[in-house]
Amino acid sequence: KQEVTQIPAALSVPEGENLVLNCSFTDSAIYNLQWFRQDPGKGLTSLLLIQSSQREQTSGRLNASLDKSSGRSTLYIAASQPGDSATYLCASRFGGYQKVTFGIGTKLQVIP
Amino acid sequence: NAGVTQTPKFQVLKTGQSMTLQCAQDMNHNSMYWYRQDPGMGLRLIYYSASEGTTDKGEVPNGYNVSRLNKREFSLRLESAAPSQTSVYFCASSDRGLTGELFFGEGSRLTVL
Repeated sequence: KQEVTQIPAALSVPEGENLVLNCSFTDSAIYNLQWFRQDPGKGLTSLLLIQSSQREQTSGRLNASLDKSSGRSTLYIAASQPGDSATYLCASRFGGYQKVTFGIGTKLQVIP
Repeated sequence: NAGVTQTPKFQVLKTGQSMTLQCAQDMNHNSMYWYRQDPGMGLRLIYYSASEGTTDKGEVPNGYNVSRLNKREFSLRLESAAPSQTSVYFCASSDRGLTGELFFGEGSRLTVL
């Protein structure tokens, strides 16, 4: 059974700081890994999708990497802003393709 | 561009009542999903539909039924609601072939008293 773990559960940083969110998974036979943002009371917004053949994806101030051999993905946020405050979730699609396992998320607070 | 639309956004039920959550997507995706999100447990798959006309159980299907009405619509029905079904329900869709990227609706917040 695939397990996805996100550490830390919560993170508070001052504005302007660069930060890294971690996601680890137990089954390296993944199709892809996706990072989401969730604001309170809202749905999940897709940030970045990394296919199993890729090592990283970038969008603006966000960079996500994937290392299947170690079972890890990281989401790098450059020059953090208060508007980045949200919960960030990672999810891996694996096995029978339709199976997607989510982490519980990292709640990020960026302090002005 | 609406993406994935869910209705209703909020609902309060009494134990034993029934209701249907509606979901529609306008991205021409083959696959659609229903998840529930509970504090400390992450998102768990209830049912999914890989393509029009097919549905399959996910991780927590007990107490739920689904209907893939057409390619656009996928509904979730609670036949006899229980307090344990108090949760936030999310519908999602994905392109089965190309990237498998998941897109989510805004969620339906259900309270069962």
